[in-house]
Amino acid sequence: GQNIDQPTEMTATEGAIVQINCTYQTSGFNGLFWYQQHAGEAPTFLSYNVLDGLEEKGRFSSFLSRSKGYSYLLLKELQMKDSASYLCAVMDSNYQLIWGAGTKLIIKP
Amino acid sequence: SAVISQKPSRDICQRGTSLTIQCQVDSQVTMMFWYRQQPGQSLTLIATANQGSEATYESGFVIDKFPISRPNLTFSTLTVSNMSPEDSSIYLCSVPTSGDYNEQFFGPGTRLTVL
Repeated sequence: GQNIDQPTEMTATEGAIVQINCTYQTSGFNGLFWYQQHAGEAPTFLSYNVLDGLEEKGRFSSFLSRSKGYSYLLLKELQMKDSASYLCAVMDSNYQLIWGAGTKLIIKP
Repeated sequence: SAVISQKPSRDICQRGTSLTIQCQVDSQVTMMFWYRQQPGQSLTLIATANQGSEATYESGFVIDKFPISRPNLTFSTLTVSNMSPEDSSIYLCSVPTSGDYNEQFFGPGTRLTVL
């Protein structure tokens, strides 16, 4: 079966750095997405990785290792507004998105 | 990026009734997706709606329970039929972008509570 694993909840301090991990087992791979979802709102696109390595976009970076079936989202200089759920999703060989359950990130002052 | 609206934004319904959710996109798109997100859970794809053909349903979802219409390239509806409290969820429509990553843009969602 297809499976996406990510921690249920994480807590970090304002100004710090946090890494949210995602491991996956899917039938084929056509890219990995990270989405941010604030409570009561729709998910919004953060990043996309299809090749191994690190993609940096401002305070957010995303890493992929296809051989390990592993990705992480790195958030730097955390702000209170970063409190949200972060969803990892993999596009399988049928170009269908398989979603993780999301990691709820709590930022404390 | 696409602009997507959904109606209603939220509703409280009685068991056994049906609710139709509308999704409007500001540009023409071939594919539209309908998702369900139960409290604290991941997104679950209900079906893919292509204009001009029958919707494709995922395992565990059937047309009699979740009929979908796709009359044109900018609009779709999802009906939740004969509702039970287990149908209480957020229902989201999304469309793929035409950008480099083919990421999906999501509508704001419809929060449904069934009593």
